[in-house]
Amino acid sequence: GESVGLHLPTLSVQEGDNSIINCAYSNSASDYFIWYKQESGKGPQFIIDIRSNMDKRQGQRVTVLLNKTVKHLSLQIAATQPGDSAVYFCAEVPNTGNQFYFGTGTSLTVIP
Amino acid sequence: NAGVTQTPKFQVLKTGQSMTLQCAQDMNHNSMYWYRQDPGMGLRLIYYSASEGTTDKGEVPNGYNVSRLNKREFSLRLESAAPSQTSVYFCASSEGLGVKVDTQYFGPGTRLTVL
Repeated sequence: GESVGLHLPTLSVQEGDNSIINCAYSNSASDYFIWYKQESGKGPQFIIDIRSNMDKRQGQRVTVLLNKTVKHLSLQIAATQPGDSAVYFCAEVPNTGNQFYFGTGTSLTVIP
Repeated sequence: NAGVTQTPKFQVLKTGQSMTLQCAQDMNHNSMYWYRQDPGMGLRLIYYSASEGTTDKGEVPNGYNVSRLNKREFSLRLESAAPSQTSVYFCASSEGLGVKVDTQYFGPGTRLTVL
């Protein structure tokens, strides 16, 4: 199977600071990447996605960066809020199929 | 729109018992998926249905069966539950059918404990 890993299992940030969550992937053929947020007791929720023909994509307070050279993905959250506390997963989708491969997740805690 | 709904939310079974987890989506999606989520591990695909009438095995299909009842509904059955199947089960759906950017949307999960 695919290997999708996260550099840090936990991350604590002060409210108002920016957060950066990292993800490494192993399949150079992956052409679609997604970040999900999972709050305690809930299902994963789509945050933002990016295609492999892009380096950066911005949403509301979130930015995803893709570095295909080193197979690295990051999620930046601006002005982190207590409601951002959750586990964040990256997922990659190889162009050879429609299966998603998920990382184990990074737990983000926002300190008020 | 309710999105993806799952029933039940919680279930406790004894070893050897059977049960069916129900999933429905109201987004007119073609593809549906069943995952399990265990501590310290990412979501692992059990089975998926790329379109109505088709089902395929994922990464961890042993001990499970699925039925794509219609376009809206996709059920997961445990014929003889084992403690190793204690997990949180998530159903997801996506537009599918060759859509180039195909995002999966998840239900709230079913927390299953097998004693």
